[in-house]
Amino acid sequence: KNEVEQSPQNLTAQEGEFITINCSYSVGISALHWLQQHPGGGIVSLFMLSSGKKKHGRLIATINIQEKHSSLHITASHPRDSAVYICAVRPWGGGSQGNLIFGKGTKLSVKP
Amino acid sequence: GAVVSQHPSWVICKSGTSVKIECRSLDFQATTMFWYRQFPKQSLMLMATSNEGSKATYEQGVEKDKFLINHASLTLSTLTVTSAHPEDSSFYICSASPPGGTDTQYFGPGTRLTVL
Repeated sequence: KNEVEQSPQNLTAQEGEFITINCSYSVGISALHWLQQHPGGGIVSLFMLSSGKKKHGRLIATINIQEKHSSLHITASHPRDSAVYICAVRPWGGGSQGNLIFGKGTKLSVKP
Repeated sequence: GAVVSQHPSWVICKSGTSVKIECRSLDFQATTMFWYRQFPKQSLMLMATSNEGSKATYEQGVEKDKFLINHASLTLSTLTVTSAHPEDSSFYICSASPPGGTDTQYFGPGTRLTVL
């Protein structure tokens, strides 16, 4: 079983829909990252969380440390949001800051 | 927000040649940079941690003589794939952390390497 599980693996939505992507992890963590990877491969950091909630434009990320769960929400989705969304966690005592455990990603397609 | 660039964005080379990939932090000093590799339809995997002015720390299973890392300045780290083979074809991504020991990382756009 992967230490970081994302759901769903694939998601198709109509433009304007509210979208939720979930991430569950099984280890103690010091931080959780949400990343966006476009079809060409480029990665953009969306959020880094250690507690609570963060909002940036139409994107909202929440984390529940006790339940080892995080969600990424997209409001008023748009075709340009189509990408793979990746959850990555930094385990406690994980040594290097770069020693992240990555989920396999959620592929989102937003249809016009 | 902070920007990390990579050059080139894609490269095709012949088997046996060496390829250098650059990772630059454009608006902050990065004492630590990280190199990841992503095979098709798989998750990113950390290859090595690059510290300015010292030797890189490689993850288990990554050949340090094949993947040479140089972190010559606070804004530049390079990854050289030596004697590349088709199995080295992958997407290579770097990230950089500003000083301060936080968990913040800024990811580069990646470099797609194809070895013929």
